[in-house]
Amino acid sequence: SYELTQPPSVSVSPGQTARIPCSGDALPKTYAYWYQQKSGQAPVLVIYEDNQRPSGIPERFSGSSSGTLATLTISGAQVEDEADYYCYLAGTSDFAFGGGTKLTVL
Amino acid sequence: EVQLVESGGGLVQPGGSLRLSCAASGFTFSSYWMNWVRQAPGKGLEWVANIKQDGSEKYYVDSVKGRFTISRDNSKNSLYLQMNSLRAEDTAVYYCASALGAPTGNWGQGTLVTVSS
Repeated sequence: SYELTQPPSVSVSPGQTARIPCSGDALPKTYAYWYQQKSGQAPVLVIYEDNQRPSGIPERFSGSSSGTLATLTISGAQVEDEADYYCYLAGTSDFAFGGGTKLTVL
Repeated sequence: EVQLVESGGGLVQPGGSLRLSCAASGFTFSSYWMNWVRQAPGKGLEWVANIKQDGSEKYYVDSVKGRFTISRDNSKNSLYLQMNSLRAEDTAVYYCASALGAPTGNWGQGTLVTVSS
C-alpha cells in the first residue's frame, strides 16, 4: 500500500506563497491529486493529474511533481485558503491519502 | 444538481455490524467508480474501499479487508458498505465519493459511525 508523507502544518502570511509537499515512493509511477478540506466540510479537489486545476479553482493554486515529491503551491495565499490539504494517489489497486497538512494564513 | 447522501451511521458495540448506504442523484451513477473514505475525529482522510462501475472490481485498505464489503446497485443509484466485526478504531465519519481525483467527482456530507460499548 502507498505511504505518503506530508508536514503536519505550514504557516504563511496573507499574500505570501505557501508550498505544501507530499513525498512517496509511488509518485514517479502515478499522478498526484490534492484536496482542500475546510472545517466541518467535505473535501474539494483543487489539483488533479499533478498540475491540472478544476474549473472554479482560483489560479493561485498550482501543482507540480518531480521524482518522489509532489508540491501544492498557493501563490499569494488568502485568509480563505486556511484549511487542511491532502495529497492523494491512485494506482491500479492501491489508493491512499497523505496524512494532511494544516495551512494557517495569518 | 449532483447529490450523494449517506445514511446508516450510528452507535454500535465492538464486534457489531452496520450497513452504510449512499444514495446518488443528478449524475449517471453507473458510469463512475465509487469510493468510501473515512475520517476519524480530529484525524486525516483515509481511503477505505472502492468499486468499479459494474461491480467487477473491488479494492480495500488492508485494515478492513475481510471485515468490510463494498457493493452497489446501479438500478437504485446506490452504494453500500457492509461493516462487520467493528472495532473502536473504525469510529469515523464515512464519506461516499464518486470518481476520486476526477474534476467531475463529488462527495457526500458523511455519516458518523461510533464504535463503543
